[in-house]
Amino acid sequence: DIEMTQSPDSLSVSLGERATINCKSGQTLLHSFDNRNYLAWYQQRPGQPPKLLISWASTRESGVPDRFGGGGSGTDFTLTINGLQAEDVAVYYCQQYFSIPLTFGGGTRVEIK
Amino acid sequence: QVQLQESGPGLVKPSETLSLTCAVSGFSISQGFYWGWIRQSPAKGLEWIGHIHHSGIVDYTPSLKSRVTITVDTSKNEFSLTLTSVTATDTAVYFCARRSSGYDEQYFDSWGRGTLVIVSS
Repeated sequence: DIEMTQSPDSLSVSLGERATINCKSGQTLLHSFDNRNYLAWYQQRPGQPPKLLISWASTRESGVPDRFGGGGSGTDFTLTINGLQAEDVAVYYCQQYFSIPLTFGGGTRVEIK
Repeated sequence: QVQLQESGPGLVKPSETLSLTCAVSGFSISQGFYWGWIRQSPAKGLEWIGHIHHSGIVDYTPSLKSRVTITVDTSKNEFSLTLTSVTATDTAVYFCARRSSGYDEQYFDSWGRGTLVIVSS
């Protein structure tokens, strides 16, 4: 199984500031045959199911604000929220889909400072 | 817009079988995509259980493979999860979700609201 490790566990950010979440995989998620990173990011607001934000490490889903950005390659990835808004308070998860079983990171809680 | 809704007992006794159904609306399961189950607990976080294609192609997480079955009923536009011999560690919120259609696109673009299942006598 590919282990996914997120850091920090939680962070407090002022409104309008940047939040950066890290995700590290136990093995590379970069597939050699298509040169794509098999990583997704989700947002889970309180009392709601996860919502897909980003796939292929950096491709935003339709309707996701452009203040959300995904980066990284191989084993190290980041989710950046530029200009944090109140509605961004949530837990964020990374998920690898390089191989079965699909696995998720432990989550990073983002709060307003 | 696709909508998913889980249903089933909220309480299951240890050693018995957990059965959940996910009703899909706004999209025909027969059109494609994969349909999956994910659970969430404080102890294990988000845990992928498995997913199925309307053709019957199915994948399960190895740790649950001996106890889990996912089936699809295209006539009812729903899919189901069965987990046998449950213990307290199977207590979780169970989500059904749609997995993207591409063979390599194993991420989930639509989710049900989830249903809490407690295993207790």
